[in-house]
Amino acid sequence: DAGVTQSPTHLIKTRGQQVTLRCSPKSGHDTVSWYQQALGQGPQFIFQYYEEEERQRGNFPDRFSGHQFPNYSSELNVNALLLGDSALYLCASSLLGGATMNTEAFFGQGTRLTVV
Amino acid sequence: GENVEQHPSTLSVQEGDSAVIKCTYSDSASNYFPWYKQELGKGPQLIIDIRSNVGEKKDQRIAVTLNKTAKHFSLHITETQPEDSAVYFCAASKGTGGFKTIFGAGTRLFVKA
Repeated sequence: DAGVTQSPTHLIKTRGQQVTLRCSPKSGHDTVSWYQQALGQGPQFIFQYYEEEERQRGNFPDRFSGHQFPNYSSELNVNALLLGDSALYLCASSLLGGATMNTEAFFGQGTRLTVV
Repeated sequence: GENVEQHPSTLSVQEGDSAVIKCTYSDSASNYFPWYKQELGKGPQLIIDIRSNVGEKKDQRIAVTLNKTAKHFSLHITETQPEDSAVYFCAASKGTGGFKTIFGAGTRLFVKA
């Protein structure tokens, strides 16, 4: 059973460019959350997708957007990249729907984004 | 706003000793408190969690306590081993999985052999 997978693992972009990060949730999970983790800090919640809609959002500008596909995979898009967007971007999946009790979130290994 | 404070930021212990990490949270509606271990180059991994209707939970060498009145929760690792060395994060949310999770800033634990 594959866990949460993210791609790419590393990425270097130039200031002002746009980037798309991808996440495949753990098998059986239907919810994807995205986090930004700056060096030496805890993860900061960006937003969460369930049933192909954004359910909750943290304090991030509109430059950060996302999408969830019918197969529950998700993308994180960041426009007009700033140097401060350099961070580890983590995807976490969980099960929200269904008859069973909600489970904890499982994290992927992250995508290290460097903006130069 | 929602906030989780975590202390200490760095903790160094001798192998076999105990390690304690403490956290406080601000949102009284929080009812789920997971702890994550993050090793270099990896994503956070859940090691133990506790819900608000429980005051203490133990899993082998790891235990977590929760004081809802004081909005404090703590992680206790006994008989520490070098492989316990990592960054540990406490977190709080208003529910499992389906709700956004607020993380502490992390504690870097060093276990010296």
